[in-house]
Amino acid sequence: KDQVFQPSTVASSEGAVVEIFCNHSVSNAYNFFWYLHFPGCAPRLLVKGSKPSQQGRYNMTYERFSSSLLILQVREADAAVYYCACKGSSNTGKLIFGQGTTLQVKP
Amino acid sequence: NAGVTQTPKFRILKIGQSMTLQCTQDMNHNYMYWYRQDPGMGLKLIYYSVGAGITDKGEVPNGYNVSRSTTEDFPLRLELAAPSQTSVYFCATWGTSGDNEQFFGPGTRLTVL
Repeated sequence: KDQVFQPSTVASSEGAVVEIFCNHSVSNAYNFFWYLHFPGCAPRLLVKGSKPSQQGRYNMTYERFSSSLLILQVREADAAVYYCACKGSSNTGKLIFGQGTTLQVKP
Repeated sequence: NAGVTQTPKFRILKIGQSMTLQCTQDMNHNYMYWYRQDPGMGLKLIYYSVGAGITDKGEVPNGYNVSRSTTEDFPLRLELAAPSQTSVYFCATWGTSGDNEQFFGPGTRLTVL
């Protein structure tokens, strides 16, 4: 079954680098998508791709079946839900999402 | 551009009532999706559409219906609301001209009592 796996909760301290891990069993999936979601708002894409990439404080590592999102100099305002997703081989644009990781940031 | 808009933001229904969740986009994207978000369960695909007049089931379609008469609009219909449909519903679009990402609306929080 096509699935994406990520931890339910990750805790960090302010100023640290936090890593959120994701792996998948999606057939023919080569791209990872990392979304940020604050309750009451639209989920927003942070970083994506089939190779390591960086967007501001967000780094994405890449292996064929796994990826990590690293957030540099984490702040209390980064406390939110982070979704990892993969796109399979179909051309319908469908994404398969993980359960979401709640990031807790301690001051 | 407004992007993806959803109405209403909040709604409380009684069991057995019906309603339509509205989703409109102004990005001229052909692909549109409906998800539901339950705590600890992530985003589950309900229905999707690859263009006007074309819809297909996602992972959790039971209890829902959709239509796609225009590129802009993709309404989601609940005919007989049940407590199990209490959730947050997100509409999303995907552009095929290089964007290669899904753009989300702000969501509709639905409670069925």
